[in-house]
Amino acid sequence: AQRVTQPEKLLSVFKGAPVELKCNYSYSGSPELFWYVQYSRQRLQLLLRHISRESIKGFTADLNKGETSFHLKKPFAQEEDSAMYYCALRGIAGNTPLVFGKGTRLSVIA
Amino acid sequence: SAVISQKPSRDICQRGTSLTIQCQVDSQVTMMFWYRQQPGQSLTLIATANQGSEATYESGFVIDKFPISRPNLTFSTLTVSNMSPEDSSIYLCSVGPRGQGEQYFGPGTRLTVT
Repeated sequence: AQRVTQPEKLLSVFKGAPVELKCNYSYSGSPELFWYVQYSRQRLQLLLRHISRESIKGFTADLNKGETSFHLKKPFAQEEDSAMYYCALRGIAGNTPLVFGKGTRLSVIA
Repeated sequence: SAVISQKPSRDICQRGTSLTIQCQVDSQVTMMFWYRQQPGQSLTLIATANQGSEATYESGFVIDKFPISRPNLTFSTLTVSNMSPEDSSIYLCSVGPRGQGEQYFGPGTRLTVT
């Protein structure tokens, strides 16, 4: 069975503090992992994906196959990072729909 | 990339009625998906709609309740039939990747059933 677990429903941090949004997954096979973000009143959009190994808006995420985790990190939170963050996975071959975690709402306090 | 529009953007409907949601994409895509996002919840896949074949429904969703049409490579509709307050959700259209590309999402249709 494929499953994505985001243990925190809400995460509040102060501006300038480090951020880590947790994501663990269960998948029989080779998954591709994603982080999607939804800012207030905007549509869901891709933030980053593990195969790209990029840093987007200061966020990074490393796939840890041993721990089956794909945590999202940022060293210094900014107010504009406040949003809903969803971890998602699909099979590495593509052409299958994403399966989402329940999401974590990040609130950055000034 | 793919730009997706949905109609209506929101609606308030009475119990027992049906609503058809339209999804239009600005380019031809093979795979389209319909998701539901209930209040305070994550996205749950309803069905996969590929052009030229019957939609494939996920566990817990049935064609009689959520009939889907996919007449061409740029358009799909989802009907929410015989609605009840439990159907109040945001319904999202999504288009699948070409190979290992990105999956894109529409703006959603916010449905309230009274």
